[in-house]
Amino acid sequence: KAGVTQTPRYLIKTRGQQVTLSCSPISGHRSVSWYQQTPGQGLQFLFEYFSETQRNKGNFPGRFSGRQFSNSRSEMNVSTLELGDSALYLCASSLGTGLGYTFGSGTRLTVV
Amino acid sequence: GESVGLHLPTLSVQEGDNSIINCAYSNSASDYFIWYKQESGKGPQFIIDIRSNMDKRQGQRVTVLLNKTVKHLSLQIAATQPGDSAVYFCAETSGSRLTFGEGTQLTVNP
Repeated sequence: KAGVTQTPRYLIKTRGQQVTLSCSPISGHRSVSWYQQTPGQGLQFLFEYFSETQRNKGNFPGRFSGRQFSNSRSEMNVSTLELGDSALYLCASSLGTGLGYTFGSGTRLTVV
Repeated sequence: GESVGLHLPTLSVQEGDNSIINCAYSNSASDYFIWYKQESGKGPQFIIDIRSNMDKRQGQRVTVLLNKTVKHLSLQIAATQPGDSAVYFCAETSGSRLTFGEGTQLTVNP
């Protein structure tokens, strides 16, 4: 059974640009969550999608957005990139609330 | 908002010893707790979970203890091996978002 797949693994962008990250959940999982991991702030929740609807949102600016497709694949977008957006972005999939969360290997974003 | 915190940022043990990693949480409404292991360059890997209606759960070489009275969670690793060296996070949830602790770096000395 394939795990959670995130692409790309590494990305380098320039300040002011925008970026789109992709996450393919485990087959059958309808919930996809996104987290940002930095040395200073640790793991922080961005948002969660279930059946194409955003069900929960963390405390991030509007530059961070996401969506989920009918096949449960999800994308997150960050516009007008700032240096502080450099982080490991992790995606987790789940069958539903409280049913276990499996993480992907993440996308390492570096903003220069 | 509510947060989950870890008591120790680092823990160093000898190979073969038992390890205990602690976690304090503050959200009394939390009903599901998970321990994750994260190795360098990888995403968090599920170790074991426990629901709030339990106080102990065992897996292979790992045991999680939950004390709801003092809002404390611990992970016990038996016969710690070099491959157990990683950062360990506790996480709690009462809904669809996980709140993570700061992480404990476990180092296993040969």
